[in-house]
Amino acid sequence: AQSVTQLDSQVPVFEEAPVELRCNYSSSVSVYLFWYVQYPNQGLQLLLKYLSGSTLVKGINGFEAEFNKSQTSFHLRKPSVHISDTAEYFCAVSVLGAQKLVFGQGTRLTINP
Amino acid sequence: DSGVTQTPKHLITATGQRVTLRCSPRSGDLSVYWYQQSLDQGLQFLIQYYNGEERAKGNILERFSAQQFPDLHSELNLSSLELGDSALYFCASSATSGRLKQFFGPGTRLTVL
Repeated sequence: AQSVTQLDSQVPVFEEAPVELRCNYSSSVSVYLFWYVQYPNQGLQLLLKYLSGSTLVKGINGFEAEFNKSQTSFHLRKPSVHISDTAEYFCAVSVLGAQKLVFGQGTRLTINP
Repeated sequence: DSGVTQTPKHLITATGQRVTLRCSPRSGDLSVYWYQQSLDQGLQFLIQYYNGEERAKGNILERFSAQQFPDLHSELNLSSLELGDSALYFCASSATSGRLKQFFGPGTRLTVL
């Protein structure tokens, strides 16, 4: 079975500061990795995904993530955050042949002016 | 706007009652997924349908059931409701069964009093 651990439940940062949201996963087989964002009172939106190839993945809104197989991590980064990035961020995994996404508990990103 | 619609947006009901949540997938998407988001359990996969047939099952209670109709919309039926069933229920859709990108609807917030 797969599991996902998001190491921080809340991350407060100042506007224009860099941010890293941490995600570790556990799986006995190869996985696909995702980051979703949930803005207040909205559904989930895909930020980026890693399927194969380059371990550095670029997504929407200036976010990027790096897949590290040896550390089983998929941390999300943005060099300079904006107030509009305030949201909850979910890391998720899926396995080839399995239909479901397994989500982490989420990290609430709060941007302070 | 993901193209996935869910109705109703909010639902308030009493313990022991039965409710039906509805989801219309994106035009052309054959696969529908249901997820439950609650404070204590986080975001969990419930069930998936593909072109009318059940394809995968997750942590779905026996009191819950779902179906996908010939026009591809899906309904999630929750019966004998308990306080702990209060949650946000998301529907997602994808083009094919193993498609890795799922598009999420805005969710239905269920409150059981």
